[in-house]
Amino acid sequence: KAGVTQTPRYLIKTRGQQVTLSCSPISGHRSVSWYQQTPGQGLQFLFEYFSETQRNKGNFPGRFSGRQFSNSRSEMNVSTLELGDSALYLCASSLASRSSYNEQFFGPGTRLTVL
Amino acid sequence: GENVEQHPSTLSVQEGDSAVIKCTYSDSASNYFPWYKQELGKGPQLIIDIRSNVGEKKDQRIAVTLNKTAKHFSLHITETQPEDSAVYFCAASHGNQFYFGTGTSLTVIP
Repeated sequence: KAGVTQTPRYLIKTRGQQVTLSCSPISGHRSVSWYQQTPGQGLQFLFEYFSETQRNKGNFPGRFSGRQFSNSRSEMNVSTLELGDSALYLCASSLASRSSYNEQFFGPGTRLTVL
Repeated sequence: GENVEQHPSTLSVQEGDSAVIKCTYSDSASNYFPWYKQELGKGPQLIIDIRSNVGEKKDQRIAVTLNKTAKHFSLHITETQPEDSAVYFCAASHGNQFYFGTGTSLTVIP
């Protein structure tokens, strides 16, 4: 089974621009979560999508948004980029079955640099 | 909400020695505790996990223990090898929401 894939792997933008990142989950996985990883803050939860609906949301400003498509693929958008948005953005997928225990698998991440 | 603390932040061991990383959590509703290994330039990789109805789980050189009463869980790596060098993250979860520790950078010295 193919793992979680993320595109692009690297991205350089300037302040004020916007960016869209893409994530394809493991086949059959219905939940996609997004995280921001920085050296100082560790892994910070952005949001989770399940069946095209945002189910959970972290404490990030409204400039960070996302969506999920009917095939479970997800995109994350950041508008009006700031220098502090430079980070590794990780996507993780899980089955999100009715079980309480849902293994979550990560993609390789998209390294965003804002100049 | 849930708060996960992880210690130590850095750990150096000699090859062949054991390494132990500890995490505590605050929300008694958390019932699933995975551990991830992240190598440079890669995403975190799930290496072992434990459910709240189990006290210990082993997989070859890796083991995890859970003390629900004290709300802490630990990762144990025995007979460490240079390829174990990486950043390790613990997490606590309930439902499909995950809360991560701040990571431990493990260096295994040959």
